[in-house]
Amino acid sequence: DADVTQTPRNRITKTGKRIMLECSQTKGHDRMYWYRQDPGLGLRLIYYSFDVKDINKGEISDGYSVSRQAQAKFSLSLESAIPNQTALYFCATRSVHEQFFGPGTRLTVL
Amino acid sequence: RKEVEQDPGPFNVPEGATVAFNCTYSNSASQSFFWYRQDCRKEPKLLMSVYSSGNEDGRFTAQLNRASQYISLLIRDSKLSDSATYLCVVNVEYNFNKFYFGSGTKLNVKP
Repeated sequence: DADVTQTPRNRITKTGKRIMLECSQTKGHDRMYWYRQDPGLGLRLIYYSFDVKDINKGEISDGYSVSRQAQAKFSLSLESAIPNQTALYFCATRSVHEQFFGPGTRLTVL
Repeated sequence: RKEVEQDPGPFNVPEGATVAFNCTYSNSASQSFFWYRQDCRKEPKLLMSVYSSGNEDGRFTAQLNRASQYISLLIRDSKLSDSATYLCVVNVEYNFNKFYFGSGTKLNVKP
């Protein structure tokens, strides 16, 4: 079984809809991250969390919110989706020297 | 200015060739450096960390030049399976809070 899982893997939605992307991990890591990847821009950090009580904004947090329900779960929400949020979203955990990524969620906002 | 910059490529090379990628970073306080590999539509995975003294892992050699603020990755004897996008990653904060990713260099190894 994968150490970091994401659901859904693909989602098509309409402008204005609320969307939640979920991430679970079995690695036992405290630190979790949400990134988005766009062609030519690389991965950009949306939010990160050091533990259940510690949530931090990344470089592109506007339009997104997160919830750390437990050490193993970190959810990303788009309260009102817009087309420029169409991207590939990755959740990741972190050990001292490495980040471990989930398989990604491909989100399309029409 | 981007934190990390890479030539997007693609680099098209024949099997058995040696190929090198460079990556530049803007923050002189950067502390840790990595190369990740990303296959098409897949998640990035750590290829290797980059140490100040340089390091080698089989056919892969990574080097760091702090004075010029660049990182390199050398792949010898390229295999078809090396075809992927290679992401340069830099950590610029103490305690590994944040990783900054380059946009990646695409490598195509052809028969």
